[in-house]
Amino acid sequence: KAGVTQTPRYLIKTRGQQVTLSCSPISGHRSVSWYQQTPGQGLQFLFEYFSETQRNKGNFPGRFSGRQFSNSRSEMNVSTLELGDSALYLCASHNGQTNTGELFFGEGSRLTVL
Amino acid sequence: DAKTTQPPSMDCAEGRAANLPCNHSTISGNEYVYWYRQIHSQGPQYIIHGLKNNETNEMASLIITEDRKSSTLILPHATLRDTAVYYCIVRVMKTSYDKVIFGPGTSLSVIP
Repeated sequence: KAGVTQTPRYLIKTRGQQVTLSCSPISGHRSVSWYQQTPGQGLQFLFEYFSETQRNKGNFPGRFSGRQFSNSRSEMNVSTLELGDSALYLCASHNGQTNTGELFFGEGSRLTVL
Repeated sequence: DAKTTQPPSMDCAEGRAANLPCNHSTISGNEYVYWYRQIHSQGPQYIIHGLKNNETNEMASLIITEDRKSSTLILPHATLRDTAVYYCIVRVMKTSYDKVIFGPGTSLSVIP
């Protein structure tokens, strides 16, 4: 079956702009989580959605937001982009079963802010 | 903060077993140990997980100590394609949230 699909794979923005990234989870997976990966900070948890509800959120400013649709697809948005937002943004899905569902990651969306 | 500690880097000769250690001394009874790896510029890939028994799959073996305070991921015959960053995480999933914290991981270099 198809894996986790993230679009776009690469994008370049300038400071002050906003960006929307999309994630399509594996079919049947209801949980989608987002991570930011930078060389200095590593993989950092942004937020997790389950059945259209945000269940948990990491320590990121309010400029970072997300949502999940009824088909489990998810989007994350970053407003008023800063240079430090340049990163690989990873989406992961799992089937929501307690402690048995491993995370499946997409290939990521690489954002460059100029 | 990550609840695991791993050596920052390791080398392994091609064809030999790679043994990657992980300490998780504060692990709770309902937390599983998961291992992922990330090859450069790709998304992390699930390898294996376990609760307290040793586990084996087609990719690796996971050895968890009896007190569950540490574990070792074993790649039995390392190849150059196993060069990656390996993450050990402990994870509990409750009905209200599923938050996974990654540490810096171990950068494994498989040497010809």
